Amino acid sequence: DAKTTQPPSMDCAEGRAANLPCNHSTISGNEYVYWYRQIHSQGPQYIIHGLKNNETNEMASLIITEDRKSSTLILPHATLRDTAVYYCIVSSTDSWGKFQFGAGTQVVVTP
Amino acid sequence: EAGVTQSPTHLIKTRGQQATLRCSPISGHTSVYWYQQALGLGLQFLLWYDEGEERNRGNFPPRFSGRQFPNYSSELNVNALELEDSALYLCASSLAGGEQFFGPGTRLTVL
Repeated sequence: DAKTTQPPSMDCAEGRAANLPCNHSTISGNEYVYWYRQIHSQGPQYIIHGLKNNETNEMASLIITEDRKSSTLILPHATLRDTAVYYCIVSSTDSWGKFQFGAGTQVVVTP
Repeated sequence: EAGVTQSPTHLIKTRGQQATLRCSPISGHTSVYWYQQALGLGLQFLLWYDEGEERNRGNFPPRFSGRQFPNYSSELNVNALELEDSALYLCASSLAGGEQFFGPGTRLTVL
């Protein structure tokens, strides 16, 4: 599986957009980009995933660069409840079920 | 739609004992995954079951084992417990190869 690189932490003001970057320069053509978040000691929550097109759902938007070597998760209007560790993972159906979670980005949303 | 459920929520054992953790996947999901998250560490992949078979396992000793039942629920067994087995154990389910949806976890404490 390709590895990902994320900043260890970032702050965001409540109500503003939070843009979370992720580098995955060795991603393979059949690997998807997944985003999860984990609020303290809870199970990770699925946010969004994509292959090469930009994706949007009720939680967030995912922007994948044309070369697919990096992506950005956008939380359009951050709330205090968005404070969590955000994980970017790349995986394919050939990954034998294994999601490799890195250290993620600790996002703190402040009032 | 009910999410992934895990039981028990908390489990306290002593060194050398055996622990059994249970997971019920989302209805219709055939794959179940187990992860370990030790305090302050990232999620480590343990096991993947699909259609009743073990498909892959992470870098854990054989005393970590499990099974998947015909109704796709799963059990994780940890034998000969050691202090360092204390962790949050997370179960996830998916359609084969798809995004994984996590349960709330079982907090195992080994004294």
